Amino acid sequence: SQKIEQNSEALNIQEGKTATLTCNYTNYSPAYLQWYRQDPGRGPVFLLLIRENEKEKRKERLKVTFDTTLKQSLFHITASQPADSATYLCALDTGGFKTIFGAGTRLFVKA
Amino acid sequence: SQTIHQWPATLVQPVGSPLSLECTVEGTSNPNLYWYRQAAGRGLQLLFYSVGIGQISSEVPQNLSASRPQDRQFILSSKKLLLSDSGFYLCAWSYSGSMVGAKNIQYFGAGTRLSVL
Repeated sequence: SQKIEQNSEALNIQEGKTATLTCNYTNYSPAYLQWYRQDPGRGPVFLLLIRENEKEKRKERLKVTFDTTLKQSLFHITASQPADSATYLCALDTGGFKTIFGAGTRLFVKA
Repeated sequence: SQTIHQWPATLVQPVGSPLSLECTVEGTSNPNLYWYRQAAGRGLQLLFYSVGIGQISSEVPQNLSASRPQDRQFILSSKKLLLSDSGFYLCAWSYSGSMVGAKNIQYFGAGTRLSVL
């Protein structure tokens, strides 16, 4: 079955730096890969989607890459701010009705 | 615009008591509906999904059940709660498969924190 691995250790960075989060998956490559943000005690919020034939996608300070050879996606936040502190979830569209989520990586941005 | 309502926000229930969590979606028709459970530090575990009224698919065998009595209403139930049912329950919706560009993006409710004591 499809598995998703995200770094379970929290990522601590200084304000203004670029945060890079990693998502690795096993088995087949999904057609789409999604990234969500989750704040404590809240539901996840969709951020970005990237297709398998796209190498890179950008939205404001966010950038996502998708390497189907490495079976990996990287999520970058440039010029990070304390307000970016949250848990970021990677998710794979299985092509049916279901989406598989990783456990997420917690990001702390220190002022 | 579309909105999703999930209630209650928190719930404390004794072991063996029944459960009913409700979720409604506004502003869209025939959405796909989902119930997830999230344990602390863990990923989202898909419990049930529904692609139409009365159509429920169960992903994990357990003492929970789901129902979809109306197009935009999804209910999670249990007749007798177990300690292991404690967790953060999230309802979500996505556009139906007929929507071009839907890509199964999930739109989540605010969640229900359930504590079974």
